[in-house]
Amino acid sequence: QLQLQESGPGLVRPSETLSLTCTVSGGSISSSGYYWGWIRQPPGKGLEWIGSIYYSGSTYYNPSLKSRVTISVDTSKNQFSLKLSSVTAADTAVYYCARHMSSKGGDYWGQGTLVTVSS
Amino acid sequence: DIQMTQSPSSLSASVGDRVTITCRASQSISIFLNWYQQKPGKAPKLLIYAASSLQSGVPSRFSGSGSGTDFTLTISSLQPEDFASYSCQQSHSTPLTFGGGTKVEIK
Repeated sequence: QLQLQESGPGLVRPSETLSLTCTVSGGSISSSGYYWGWIRQPPGKGLEWIGSIYYSGSTYYNPSLKSRVTISVDTSKNQFSLKLSSVTAADTAVYYCARHMSSKGGDYWGQGTLVTVSS
Repeated sequence: DIQMTQSPSSLSASVGDRVTITCRASQSISIFLNWYQQKPGKAPKLLIYAASSLQSGVPSRFSGSGSGTDFTLTISSLQPEDFASYSCQQSHSTPLTFGGGTKVEIK
């Protein structure tokens, strides 16, 4: 059974960089046809796609965040990571990692991790 | 960006009721439409992909229909465990976008 687990600091200071890692177990991050994405959900609000990466390293970002986002993959560790720079309180959210195909929804998700931006 | 509009934003229903949630895309997305269920404090769960395909393990009381810009999620007979929020998402093109969600509450 594929499992995804987010890890990283739960509190980030304004203007600093948010860094999260998603560890994939029970399957390979290098499986053909699957993308690995980050999605966030501010408290009480809807879901927002941040971006996705293919195991080859190809990345796809939400234009609304593109200038601040970097997603990378480490196939040797079966992990992919998110960096979001220059954070503000508006970046406070539960951050999820998920697996999806190019035209299919996310079929496996991490449990989510709350990241609060505050001084 | 493709905007996804869901309606209603919330509804009250009883166990056994037939429930319908709609999702409209701002432009045609063919059948690249997914539906999720989300319970408080939990990650979204994929119910329907490609507008009408039931994800493995999802009860058959859930069904999806539509193509182009108009889509529907139907729960044929609402069960106690179905009280949750439901969101649509288009996977036609990036940025992937979600609807605002529909909260299904107990009447």
